[in-house]
Amino acid sequence: NAGVTQTPKFRVLKTGQSMTLLCAQDMNHEYMYWYRQDPGMGLRLIHYSVGEGTTAKGEVPDGYNVSRLKKQNFLLGLESAAPSQTSVYFCASSRQYEQYFGPGTRLTVT
Amino acid sequence: GEDVEQSLFLSVREGDSSVINCTYTDSSSTYLYWYKQEPGAGLQLLTYIFSNMDMKQDQRLTVLLNKKDKHLSLRIADTQTGDSAIYFCAEGPTDKLIFGTGTRLQVFP
Repeated sequence: NAGVTQTPKFRVLKTGQSMTLLCAQDMNHEYMYWYRQDPGMGLRLIHYSVGEGTTAKGEVPDGYNVSRLKKQNFLLGLESAAPSQTSVYFCASSRQYEQYFGPGTRLTVT
Repeated sequence: GEDVEQSLFLSVREGDSSVINCTYTDSSSTYLYWYKQEPGAGLQLLTYIFSNMDMKQDQRLTVLLNKKDKHLSLRIADTQTGDSAIYFCAEGPTDKLIFGTGTRLQVFP
């Protein structure tokens, strides 16, 4: 039981490049989330999903897209990366009261 | 909108008690949470409290909730160096959690 895993762990992009972050969970959770964590700002919700095939916008969705084609996977896409998207990205899944977090992806956009 | 505030830093001596404070604005929250983040890792749920409770104790952890003042605190008894981490307060339904900025706890010998 691996819990929540994220791929990759680190990435450096040039401005304008695109990439996809992959999140996978093996706990059969319905809900999945993508957050970004910036110094002094806590975690902010980018997008979330309440089930396979569904997605919804969070607090800071601009510049990101997501897909939930399979229940266990939640993908976060950056179509044209900007330096403002330099951050640590966390995926989480949940049931009842607890969200389970992945280890994070550190993304730097130069 | 909803807001959750915490102080940024706390430094305590090993063996002492630590108290981390949090204030929130959404009085309709059913649950309030404390998460812990160790360096280079994701957040891990430490404990949570229902809004109809005033206190919850779990081994070295005590959570106090003052609904009137919208104030939540986490007390860690006998603080150890392994407790050094960032602690996040969060409120809201599970699918719409609002996190505070986090309090960095440093434990020194």
